[in-house]
Amino acid sequence: NAGVTQTPKFRVLKTGQSMTLLCAQDMNHEYMYWYRQDPGMGLRLIHYSVGEGTTAKGEVPDGYNVSRLKKQNFLLGLESAAPSQTSVYFCASSYVGQVPYEQYFGPGTRLTVT
Amino acid sequence: DAKTTQPPSMDCAEGRAANLPCNHSTISGNEYVYWYRQIHSQGPQYIIHGLKNNETNEMASLIITEDRKSSTLILPHATLRDTAVYYCIYNSGGSNYKLTFGKGTLLTVNP
Repeated sequence: NAGVTQTPKFRVLKTGQSMTLLCAQDMNHEYMYWYRQDPGMGLRLIHYSVGEGTTAKGEVPDGYNVSRLKKQNFLLGLESAAPSQTSVYFCASSYVGQVPYEQYFGPGTRLTVT
Repeated sequence: DAKTTQPPSMDCAEGRAANLPCNHSTISGNEYVYWYRQIHSQGPQYIIHGLKNNETNEMASLIITEDRKSSTLILPHATLRDTAVYYCIYNSGGSNYKLTFGKGTLLTVNP
């Protein structure tokens, strides 16, 4: 199992450019999440998905869009990148059930917006 | 938001036990305590979780006070590879699956 993978690992964008970050998981998890982490901070939830075709806003959703067309993939889009979106982005996935299941995280994508 | 209080940093000698405290005084009766760690900007890694009873797995032990307002994560024999930021989080699971990460505790294991 590859677990949770993220593409790309690094990216530099100019202000106003757009890009899509791809997250893929091979564990058949229902739930998927996108977080961002700024220097010296904990992770903040951007958007999440409870199943194929459904998405919802997290704590800091502004400036981002997401799509979950396939169960194993969760895409994060930046339509018009801003310097404030310079961050490390982590994707995670988890099972769902009565007992809370742990989240499995990807290795992260380092994004710099100049 | 589910807020926890952790010391910003701690040191531990290699081979000794590392005891990381967490205060979660606003936890509700159905909310679990989770611990994750993040090694040098890698993705966070799940360590352990518990509800009321103490828990142990191959990585660590979790001690939860009887009133459940605080807990301690114990790494019994810390190694240099345990140097990381440790996050204490709580939520009820089920339909409440969103984890709120604070700043955590930076544990530095010294040789």
